[in-house]
Amino acid sequence: GQQVMQIPQYQHVQEGEDFTTYCNSSTTLSNIQWYKQRPGGHPVFLIQLVKSGEVKKQKRLTFQFGEAKKNSSLHITATQTTDVGTYFCAGRNFNKFYFGSGTKLNVKP
Amino acid sequence: DVKVTQSSRYLVKRTGEKVFLECVQDMDHENMFWYRQDPGLGLRLIYFSYDVKMKEKGDIPEGYSVSREKKERFSLILESASTNQTSMYLCASSLLQGVTGELFFGEGSRLTVL
Repeated sequence: GQQVMQIPQYQHVQEGEDFTTYCNSSTTLSNIQWYKQRPGGHPVFLIQLVKSGEVKKQKRLTFQFGEAKKNSSLHITATQTTDVGTYFCAGRNFNKFYFGSGTKLNVKP
Repeated sequence: DVKVTQSSRYLVKRTGEKVFLECVQDMDHENMFWYRQDPGLGLRLIYFSYDVKMKEKGDIPEGYSVSREKKERFSLILESASTNQTSMYLCASSLLQGVTGELFFGEGSRLTVL
């Protein structure tokens, strides 16, 4: 069945270091969304990528969608303690969202 | 702002009990979803609905049922709770049918089955 694999499961960084999480799908996706879940909170939508090869930026966050629309990445430049949380990708195939298992980011001040 | 409200933040139930988890959204969204979240497994879709009285199975529907009698309300039912259903349950809604809209999540309901 449809699967979206996400790595790494955990990442511990020093404040100011960069961070990247990767998602790979077993099949081509219509689009991919990214969510952030703060500790004790619920997932909150960050962005959606639709086009093959698309790159979008939100301040220190850069999102990429692969050419084959099977993989995506989220890169955070110069992490801050406010970036702490779990980042999920969610790939869409037809009318279903398939979530990755998430990457839990811890930022040490 | 869209608001998705889940009726209970924390529940403790006994094995075999019937459990109702209620979710209400206030933005007239067509789509509603129930997920469960477990460490290391991410969010797994239990059921979803695109319209009143309409439901479709997600990836892990076994042991669950749903009800959508009104557009704003989507209920998850555990007919006979079991310990392996101890989890965080997240309700979500989205605006556009057939076209991806962002998912708006509720605060979650943490269920413990003893």
